[in-house]
Amino acid sequence: GQNIDQPTEMTATEGAIVQINCTYQTSGFNGLFWYQQHAGEAPTFLSYNVLDGLEEKGRFSSFLSRSKGYSYLLLKELQMKDSASYLCAVKDSNYQLIWGAGTKLIIKP
Amino acid sequence: GAVVSQHPSWVICKSGTSVKIECRSLDFQATTMFWYRQFPKQSLMLMATSNEGSKATYEQGVEKDKFLINHASLTLSTLTVTSAHPEDSSFYICSAWKGEGGELFFGEGSRLTVL
Repeated sequence: GQNIDQPTEMTATEGAIVQINCTYQTSGFNGLFWYQQHAGEAPTFLSYNVLDGLEEKGRFSSFLSRSKGYSYLLLKELQMKDSASYLCAVKDSNYQLIWGAGTKLIIKP
Repeated sequence: GAVVSQHPSWVICKSGTSVKIECRSLDFQATTMFWYRQFPKQSLMLMATSNEGSKATYEQGVEKDKFLINHASLTLSTLTVTSAHPEDSSFYICSAWKGEGGELFFGEGSRLTVL
């Protein structure tokens, strides 16, 4: 079966750095997405990785290793507004998106 | 600005009535749109894939006669919750791919409360 694993919840301190991991087992791979979702709102796009390596976008970076079926989202200089759920999703060989359950990130002052 | 728009954002209805939610792609054509449901503190659950000009593809366990999907144009998909019951109260979200291999954009979501 297809599976996306990410931690259920993480806690970090304002100003610090946090890494949210995502591992996947899917039938084929056509890219990995990270989305941010604040409570009561729709998800918003953060990043898309299709090749191995690190993609940096401001305070957020996303890394992919296809051989390991692994990705992480790195958030630097954490702000209180970063408190949200972070969703990892993989596009499989049929171009279907397989979603992880999301990681709830709690930022403490 | 938003590239996928949903309407209405909030809807309250009586049990037994039907509710229609619209999802529009604003500056691109979407042959495929997706409908999700999300209960409080739970992850997104894909309900169905809406295909322009053909029948929607429903995920296992989703009643196609209860959740009617129409994708009559390249910019509009509608989800109708028929004979709504309190257990249908949820956050319904649509999404669409923009471009070949591009980003998946989400609508703002529609919160349905069935009394």
